[in-house]
Amino acid sequence: EPEVTQTPSHQVTQMGQEVILRCVPISNHLYFYWYRQILGQKVEFLVSFYNNEISEKSEIFDDQFSVERPDGSNFTLKIRSTKLEDSAMYFCARGTGLTGYTFGSGTRLTVV
Amino acid sequence: AQKITQTQPGMFVQEKEAVTLDCTYDTSDPSYGLFWYKQPSSGEMIFLIYQGSYDQQNATEGRYSLNFQKARKSANLVISASQLGDSAMYFCAMRRLSGTYKYIFGTGTRLKVLA
Repeated sequence: EPEVTQTPSHQVTQMGQEVILRCVPISNHLYFYWYRQILGQKVEFLVSFYNNEISEKSEIFDDQFSVERPDGSNFTLKIRSTKLEDSAMYFCARGTGLTGYTFGSGTRLTVV
Repeated sequence: AQKITQTQPGMFVQEKEAVTLDCTYDTSDPSYGLFWYKQPSSGEMIFLIYQGSYDQQNATEGRYSLNFQKARKSANLVISASQLGDSAMYFCAMRRLSGTYKYIFGTGTRLKVLA
């Protein structure tokens, strides 16, 4: 099955700056997800996105986060004003049903 | 609430031997799935194997098998004939099979295969 592509692979940003992380899944999938993994720690759910709307979000996904599917194929996660603790690997994923999800290769975000 | 516990932060295994990575879970949902993912040093998450709560037989995928003991709420991953390329972080995860589809992950086990 085709992979999920994430860009950039690594981004360094100044604290307080906005960042946009991009994901290109297959356009005919309806369910998408963002997860994050702080270095050396477990993978945490951020948000699920179904049929172009947020279907569920975690307590981590506060007002500084937003997701969009601006053009029907790309899927973006925006962090409005980055904090040091936002430094992590961010994964997008797609899938439903009884099989494992396909994860993207991840974007490593470093906030300095 | 759902919870996944992986009690082995690190494991060593000799090449060509089998290794078992432990995973216990807790949930009140009647229908759920258990998953294992591999994360090599390059960082990507690779799906390995899935077990549904209603499946009667343990899942197998090549050298991977899932030892599912529902009464004990355990879903251990068994890797047979370990290879050097199996050295990675392994995560156990769970999700409901209806409604929300989000994963709950364990803290992971780092496996090192020795030559």
